[in-house]
Amino acid sequence: AQTVTQSQPEMSVQEAETVTLSCTYDTSESNYYLFWYKQPPSRQMILVIRQEAYKQQNATENRFSVNFQKAAKSFSLKISDSQLGDTAMYFCAFLSGTYKYIFGTGTRLKVLA
Amino acid sequence: DGGITQSPKYLFRKEGQNVTLSCEQNLNHDAMYWYRQDPGQGLRLIYYSQIVNDFQKGDIAEGYSVSREKKESFPLTVTSAQKNPTAFYLCASSMDRIAHGANYGYTFGSGTRLTVV
Repeated sequence: AQTVTQSQPEMSVQEAETVTLSCTYDTSESNYYLFWYKQPPSRQMILVIRQEAYKQQNATENRFSVNFQKAAKSFSLKISDSQLGDTAMYFCAFLSGTYKYIFGTGTRLKVLA
Repeated sequence: DGGITQSPKYLFRKEGQNVTLSCEQNLNHDAMYWYRQDPGQGLRLIYYSQIVNDFQKGDIAEGYSVSREKKESFPLTVTSAQKNPTAFYLCASSMDRIAHGANYGYTFGSGTRLTVV
């Protein structure tokens, strides 16, 4: 069975600093998609970034980038120049070949002023 | 603006009652989903629907029911058979279940917090 593991329940970072959130997954599939979603205090999930497994190049979206290590089954999220508005719960998610999302348990990130 | 509207934001249920959570979208998406979120457990799929008048069970469908009579609407009923219904419920949609969800992710509503009293 496919699983997604986020081993950091909570993290904090100073404003303007860089933070990395970890995610590992387990699958026997070769083609899949990986996502990071942000859930701010409003509770609405927002897509932050996505990565296609067959692409070696790491995805970037402004201050957000990923470190995708397919062999290690690792998909970490780096947030540069952290802002107070980045305070949220972050979920790593795996989309399988059967197009079913599997979510990790989340990492609560607090950006400190 | 297009999006997903979930109502109510907070809902209280007495033991033995059925309650219905509303989910409406104006994105013209074909696929819609219901997830349950519990602390420390991430999101778990309850039901999903790919087209009108069709829906499939997810991983934790017991004690829940859905309908999809209109493309825009996918209400979730939490029945008295659901033994532990207190949770946060999220509705989501995508253009289709396959390519769009993979390429653009899902669009989520802002959720309903259900509490049994």
